[in-house]
Amino acid sequence: GAGVSQTPSNKVTEKGKYVELRCDPISGHTALYWYRQSLGQGPEFLIYFQGTGAADDSGLPNDRFFAVRPEGSVSTLKIQRTERGDSAVYLCASSGDTRGAQYFGPGTRLTVL
Amino acid sequence: GIQVEQSPPDLILQEGANSTLRCNFSDSVNNLQWFHQNPWGQLINLFYIPSGTKQNGRLSATTVATERYSLLYISSSQTTDSGVYFCASGNSGNTPLVFGKGTRLSVIA
Repeated sequence: GAGVSQTPSNKVTEKGKYVELRCDPISGHTALYWYRQSLGQGPEFLIYFQGTGAADDSGLPNDRFFAVRPEGSVSTLKIQRTERGDSAVYLCASSGDTRGAQYFGPGTRLTVL
Repeated sequence: GIQVEQSPPDLILQEGANSTLRCNFSDSVNNLQWFHQNPWGQLINLFYIPSGTKQNGRLSATTVATERYSLLYISSSQTTDSGVYFCASGNSGNTPLVFGKGTRLSVIA
């Protein structure tokens, strides 16, 4: 079956603009995670959904970041008033069992000029 | 919170050589996973291994939860094994993972 997909693969925007990043998890996976990866670092947790609700949003850096998953499948990460420091690869992962083995999408590379 | 340390940070191998990568974690965890990030950035789940030993082809992993470490073994390395290997842990299933900084592996022909 299809893996986790993310769109767009690359996004270039200007400082102060609004962006939306989309994640389509593996079909049937109820858990969905967003991570952010900076160059030379491991992924860092942002937010975790179980079904439609955000079970843990403790990793969101500030209130410019918000994510939704209205129907328990596709999720959108929204960043307002982008800053140059938001430039990174944004990764989405999903999990379909209680063990929590996570499967990652290819990521969206966000560049804020 | 959980802290994850990986060693070595960098490793260069001749094709055909074997290697061991280590992951130490600070707290008791019920969720330990190894990932390979290929040169194109895709993260591939290699093992879900909160305890015990698993093998998949030339790769195997062992986690000793009571001593808070995990090892990833790569045998007969190939150039396609190059990339960054991440260890990640969590308190339980379906919780956010804390990643180490990774081991960057380069396998040369």
